[in-house]
Parts: sequence; C-alpha cells; structure tokens
Amino acid sequence: DVKVTQSSRYLVKRTGEKVFLECVQDMDHENMFWYRQDPGLGLRLIYFSYDVKMKEKGDIPEGYSVSREKKERFSLILESASTNQTSMYLCASGQGGSLGTDTQYFGPGTRLTVL
Amino acid sequence: AQTVTQSQPEMSVQEAETVTLSCTYDTSESDYYLFWYKQPPSRQMILVIRQEAYKQQNATENRFSVNFQKAAKSFSLKISDSQLGDAAMYFCAYRTVTGNQFYFGTGTSLTVIP
Repeated sequence: DVKVTQSSRYLVKRTGEKVFLECVQDMDHENMFWYRQDPGLGLRLIYFSYDVKMKEKGDIPEGYSVSREKKERFSLILESASTNQTSMYLCASGQGGSLGTDTQYFGPGTRLTVL
Repeated sequence: AQTVTQSQPEMSVQEAETVTLSCTYDTSESDYYLFWYKQPPSRQMILVIRQEAYKQQNATENRFSVNFQKAAKSFSLKISDSQLGDAAMYFCAYRTVTGNQFYFGTGTSLTVIP
C-alpha cells in the first residue's frame, strides 16, 4: 500500500514563526502536492512538484514556499506564519503525465493553528 | 480554466437507502479523468471511484457507481445501500490526461441516519 506520512497531526505556532511541514511518500511518485483545506472552500492547491528540485505554484502560493531535495520528501514552509494560515494542510503524491489514470494518495493532514 | 462545482454542501440519507451526490465541471478538454474521494471524520482521504472521459461505460465499485454525462459535464456519485461508515466528506475532482494538477470541488458532507 502507498503510504504518505506527514510530520505532525496537530501543530500550534505563534504569529511570525517560521513553520515547516514535512511530507514523505514511499511509492517513488514523481508528483507531490500541498493543499490547504478550509470549510466551504474545499481543497486549494498551494504548490506542487513534479520532480526533485522542481516546483510549480498552485492557486494560493502567497505566504508559502516549498522544498524538494529528495524524491520522497516534500516540505511546505511558512516563512512568517500569520493567523489567516490557520488551516488543515494536506500532502498528496501521485504518478504524473501519461500515467494519469493513477490517483493521488493523501497523507493524514496537519491541522495548524497560528495564534 | 477548469472548475469543479459541488452544489450540495450537505446531504443526508437513511441507512440502507440510496443517495446521489452531484458534481459538474467545466473544461475545454476532450479527454480527462474524474474522481470521487471520501474523507471520513479525522481520517485520511481515499479514492472511491474514478472515470476516464473517453470511456462510455459508467464506473462501478461495489455499492458506489457514477452517472457520467460528458455532454452535460456532469459526474454524479450514487451510493447504494448506505452504511454508517459512508458518513464522510466527499470531494469530486478532475485532472487532464497529461497534466499533473487535480482540481477539486468544495465537497459534500454526507450524514447517514441510523
């Protein structure tokens, strides 16, 4: 079974702190994604990566950055956390391109609260 | 731009009954993939069912089936013989054949009444 793990289930940080959310997948997937999930807004893509050191902005990249130094690991960074970044963050991975019949596999999510 | 619309924020169904969740999408592509995902309370999101747009036949997975209407750009999910474990948030999603990005709807929260 595909496994996608996230470093924390719950995280509480203070405004202005630098926050790292880590995601690891064990299926050698090319693509990895970071989403933000808010009630009534569904899943919104923050960033995705289709290869090591490659990244693409999603729909809401402002206030976030990402890092992918190894294929299995994709990190989301909040350079200076703000209260409006309080949310559930979901990581996902999947094959890309012509293997598009494949789905995305999701991690358990990190519920981040910024005080 | 691709958009996915789920017009029912909340739905409820009696146990053992059938419920249909609606999804519409907008695209200029002729070939693409559609998905339904399930997110149980405090649990991981998982794939329920997927449909390839070039296939005429509606996908089926046990009690879950879809009604795919390509011309209408509609992709509804039917859950038969609903069970308490079906209670969850359901998301409809779309991706192109060659693209990497998935586009999600806003979700439908399904309650199953015993």
